Amino acid sequence: GAGVSQTPSNKVTEKGKYVELRCDPISGHTALYWYRQSLGQGPEFLIYFQGTGAADDSGLPNDRFFAVRPEGSVSTLKIQRTERGDSAVYLCASSLTKWTEAFFGQGTRLTVV
Amino acid sequence: AQKITQTQPGMFVQEKEAVTLDCTYDTSDQSYGLFWYKQPSSGEMIFLIYQGSYDEQNATEGRYSLNFQKARKSANLVISASQLGDSAMYFCAMRENNQGGKLIFGQGTELSVKP
Repeated sequence: GAGVSQTPSNKVTEKGKYVELRCDPISGHTALYWYRQSLGQGPEFLIYFQGTGAADDSGLPNDRFFAVRPEGSVSTLKIQRTERGDSAVYLCASSLTKWTEAFFGQGTRLTVV
Repeated sequence: AQKITQTQPGMFVQEKEAVTLDCTYDTSDQSYGLFWYKQPSSGEMIFLIYQGSYDEQNATEGRYSLNFQKARKSANLVISASQLGDSAMYFCAMRENNQGGKLIFGQGTELSVKP
């Protein structure tokens, strides 16, 4: 497909477990973003990649959250020792450059029980 | 302080009528961009329209237009000839150009179009 692809679409995990969320951006897009959206809220910025490097990770809430983009394409958001408060929809977006509009994936709904 | 404020949690509009969704923003930067996204119940964020801070004309994209009033720091979305498929959450967002590409979103407005 031509859009941003996120897998899995839904993830249920137990408190304390480790999870990985994957984002496959639009081909050729150099900028990639992760956002978190809690119920009834707007998305909140987590981290932004320009190519392979994290250009801005100021939105990561704590050191349990980490993201990588080793080849400048697919990105993985990793959450260690999950907590119930991590339950949310995690949205990934990509854009051709940081100056152009971002296109979003369908999101991964994470539920920590 | 809230950087993006959407004061209307919910709005109703009659099919085929026009509707305005409000958005005010707060920034001290001179160079920034304003965006509107639509989020249907399926969850995907759909880009609608963009306005740059230096753009002198209001942006338009089909039935969507952005009423940009820079001095008042407002960027309202106008949807003309509403359709049932317009029922969704609408988010206003800002990009401060010295902060890279990250977007700051408002709380959203839920629009319901009545037949």
